[in-house]
Formats: sequence, structure tokens, C-alpha cells
Amino acid sequence: QVQLQESGPRLVKPSETLSLTCTVSGGSIRSHYWSWIRQPPGKGLEWIGYIYYIGNTNYNPSLKSRVTISVDTSKNQFSLKLSSVTAADAAVYYCARAVAVTGYVFDYWGQGTLVAVSS
Amino acid sequence: SYELTQPPSVSVSPGQTASITCSGDKLGEKYACWYQQTPGQSPVLVIYQDNKRPSGIPERFSGSYSENTATLTITGTQPADEADYYCQAWDSSTAVFGGGTKLTVL
Repeated sequence: QVQLQESGPRLVKPSETLSLTCTVSGGSIRSHYWSWIRQPPGKGLEWIGYIYYIGNTNYNPSLKSRVTISVDTSKNQFSLKLSSVTAADAAVYYCARAVAVTGYVFDYWGQGTLVAVSS
Repeated sequence: SYELTQPPSVSVSPGQTASITCSGDKLGEKYACWYQQTPGQSPVLVIYQDNKRPSGIPERFSGSYSENTATLTITGTQPADEADYYCQAWDSSTAVFGGGTKLTVL
């Protein structure tokens, strides 16, 4: 059973960089695509981007200038960096696996981690 | 940018059929899928690839398409089905989610 677990600071100051890591267990990161998705409190889901284990990435155009997703296959982890955060970036951040069917679907999700933005 | 439109809320009585729609340009070409999210939990995939259910998802969940609209149908709705439901599709290698529909089982 594949499991994903987000980790990282729960509080980030405005204008600083949000950094989160997702640890994958029960399966290898050397397959499928791996994504970050966020959900502001009381709002809907927003896709941030994905990475393939060899490093190919794609980002949401609305966040592209501030987002970097990277992968560490030796640790079975992938990471998110979101720069110049504001209050609008406060959200529950999920990591998820995207598996190819017809298109891709997010079949495994982490439990999510709530990140607040405040000085 | 591509958009998926869902009704904000749908209400249904226990045992009845609930239908939640998701509309988007040429959605039938993009293979929408559906996620269920109960309060405080991570989303769970319930329907993908037109009308396939992942292991463990009850048969009362089904999906269908008509032109630019995908529909999630829950037959014999149970109180446990009360949740937020999100459709999702890909456009130009970008994942797009609908705004979500809150299903209330009265």
C-alpha cells in the first residue's frame, strides 16, 4: 500500500519561501508522476505542479514563477518550494501520486499539512 | 485558462439518486474524474476513465458524459456520502479541478 507523508514548517513569514517534503513509502518513486495540490481553508482544490522521477516538471501557470518541485530518488522523496508567499498561500498542502489511466488520476494522497502565513 | 464548472451544492434524501454535474469546453475529450472529500480528510478518487471505480468504491457511484458535461451519479445515496465532490481533468498538461459541490444528504 503506497503511503505519502508531507513534512515541513507549519508557519511561514510573508515574502519568505514555503518548503515542504513528501516521503513516499510502500512503493518506489521511480515511476508515475508526483504532484502537489493545495486547498485554502474552506475553499476548493488547486493543482500546483508535478514531477517525474527523472526530473521532468510542469507547473500551474498561475504559480509557475514562484514554484519549484524537485525529487530525491535516493530518499524516495519529492519537495515543493513556493517563494514570496503571501496570506493567499495559506492552505492545506497535499502531495499525491498521479497514475496514468486515460489521462492521469491522483490515486494516492498524503494526509495534508496546514501551512499558515504570518509574521 | 481552462475551467470546470460545478454547482456549489446539491441536496438529496437518503436512498434517492444524487447527480452532480461538471461542465467544461470539450470535456468529453479530456477524461474527467471525480474525487470525494469528507471534512478533515484527503480527497479520495471515486470515478475515473468515464465510469471506472477504484477498488473499494461502492457500485452506487457511477459516471457518465454528455457533450461538454460529466455527471457523477450516486444511486441509493447514504448519509455517509455527504461530502464535497470535485471533478478534475487535464488541459495542456495542467490539472484543473472544478470548484467543488457540497452534497447534503437530508
